[in-house]
Amino acid sequence: DVKVTQSSRYLVKRTGEKVFLECVQDMDHENMFWYRQDPGLGLRLIYFSYDVKMKEKGDIPEGYSVSREKKERFSLILESASTNQTSMYLCASSFAADRSYNEQFFGPGTRLTVL
Amino acid sequence: AQSVTQPDIHITVSEGASLELRCNYSYGATPYLFWYVQSPGQGLQLLLKYFSGDTLVQGIKGFEAEFKRSQSSFNLRKPSVHWSDAAEYFCAGGTYSGGGADGLTFGKGTHLIIQP
Repeated sequence: DVKVTQSSRYLVKRTGEKVFLECVQDMDHENMFWYRQDPGLGLRLIYFSYDVKMKEKGDIPEGYSVSREKKERFSLILESASTNQTSMYLCASSFAADRSYNEQFFGPGTRLTVL
Repeated sequence: AQSVTQPDIHITVSEGASLELRCNYSYGATPYLFWYVQSPGQGLQLLLKYFSGDTLVQGIKGFEAEFKRSQSSFNLRKPSVHWSDAAEYFCAGGTYSGGGADGLTFGKGTHLIIQP
């Protein structure tokens, strides 16, 4: 079974803190994704990566950065957390599109609260 | 622009009744289509997927979906719902552009409520 794990299920941080959200997948997937999920807005893509050290902006990258130093690990970084970044964050991974039809596998999510 | 639309934000169904959740897509070519389910506080689980071929696809938990090109739809159905089906359902679509990470476009979700 594909397994995507996220470092924390719940996280509470203060405004201005630097926040790291970690995601690890064990299926040797090339692609990894970070989404945020908010009521009424569905899933919005923040960043994705198709290879080690490669990253691409998604629809809402402002206020976020990412790091992919190893194939299995994809980190989302909030450089200076703000209250409007309170959300559920979902990590996903997939094989390269030509052999996966973009099927993505999701982690359990991290619910981040910024006070 | 590519888009996936779920017209219904909330749907309430009685336990044992049939269910249909709507999904419409807008793509230049035939997209890959997926339905995911999210139970409260959980990540997304894949219910079923359509790539090509038979337009009626079967998924897990007794769900099925039918791809209708003429209507640009990929509606999810279940003949008899159970209380455990109460969840958020997401339709998603994607295409292969020839390289890189081709992501998915998600609908905004339909919240399914099951009445006793």
